[in-house]
Formats: sequence, structure tokens, C-alpha cells
Amino acid sequence: DQQVKQNSPSLSVQEGRISILNCDYTNSMFDYFLWYKKYPAEGPTFLISISSIKDKNEDGRFTVFLNKSAKHLSLHIVPSQPGDSAVYFCAASARGNNRLAFGKGNQVVVIP
Amino acid sequence: NAGVMQNPRHLVRRRGQEARLRCSPMKGHSHVYWYRQLPEEGLKFMVYLQKENIIDESGMPKERFSAEFPKEGPSILRIQQVVRGDSAAYFCASSDYGNSPLHFGNGTRLTVT
Repeated sequence: DQQVKQNSPSLSVQEGRISILNCDYTNSMFDYFLWYKKYPAEGPTFLISISSIKDKNEDGRFTVFLNKSAKHLSLHIVPSQPGDSAVYFCAASARGNNRLAFGKGNQVVVIP
Repeated sequence: NAGVMQNPRHLVRRRGQEARLRCSPMKGHSHVYWYRQLPEEGLKFMVYLQKENIIDESGMPKERFSAEFPKEGPSILRIQQVVRGDSAAYFCASSDYGNSPLHFGNGTRLTVT
């Protein structure tokens, strides 16, 4: 049962433009959401997180938006850079613990 | 990913053999998590350990899989009598307290032939 869903497996974007990644979840108990970035042959690297008490969190070029009523979150990367080319995983947990439920990931390719 | 050390990076086992995966958490971290990533899938939680204790093993198959995190030394994920379906990337992660963001290692890629 996939509790965290990432559709549109791959995304190509021109350098300097915005990348938008979407994520939907089904478990109403989830209250903490994270995005991880993964390069080939490496482990995931934490990018940004958001608690369910907020609807937006920003860190430099990365912004995460949370719509609790729609059980939807998105990651915006602006401006996109070639080094952002990676797989991005959306993850969620209940009670803010680290038993994370991951989506299948989105491949992002930033074209110079 | 610097800090969480996993070895080996690649492990090939024949069906029926045992696989041992090792993980040394980041310095100062006492919480260790194991995740598994099957091909074309996201990571799936397996087990959560603190020193000498298994806190949550709800994601780990009941048979053939075991994990430990001894007082001294790395955490070990052990898979007995491996089958082809065990072929996956196994990631270890650590944190300094139970709900701080996880730091992942680079994984062990297990191939069962």
C-alpha cells in the first residue's frame, strides 16, 4: 500500500527555470514531511522538511508547500541549476518520528 | 552522506547463503535505521535500533532477517538463506535523537544470484 505517491516520474527543466515536484499522501496521521535528494550510487540527502502546523517552509532556492486538506505537498526549486539533477524523494512520518514512508521518487534533469 | 559508513558497497551472494551488512553511524549518533530500496521503488523502513536495543522492527520480514546494534561496533543487518527477492539496495541512516533528520549512508547493493 503506497501511502506516499509521486507521479510524473521524470522532469526536465531548463537551467534557471523553476522545478516543481508534487507529492500526495493518504495517511491522515502523517504530520511531518521531508524531501530528500539522491545522486546515483549515493544515499539520500536531506533537503528540506515541513511540519503539519505550517503550510510553507523556505530554505534558499528550495520551498516546500503543504496543503493538508488535499493531502498534497510540493517542492519548488528556483532557479534550477545543473547540480540539482538527481532523484527527489518525498517522505512522511507520523508524530515526527523517523519511520519514514517514501514515495518512489522523481528524476529531475536540469538542462544547461 | 559523509559520516554514515556502510560496508560492503556491493555484495554478491548465491541463493541460500548469508548476507551481513554493516553500518557505522555518524559520530555521536545513537539511533540507527535500516531501509531497503527495491528496484524502481522508494525506500521502505525496516528496523530502528538504539544501542543494544531494537526499538521498532515492524518493517522487517519476520523470517531470515535480523538486526543488532551492539554496545561496541557497528550495526549489523543479517539476512539468512538469501533469495533472489532480497536483491536490493540496503541503506542505513542515523540520527542524534529520535526525530532529527536522518543522515543516510551510501548503501549496500546486495545481488543474489
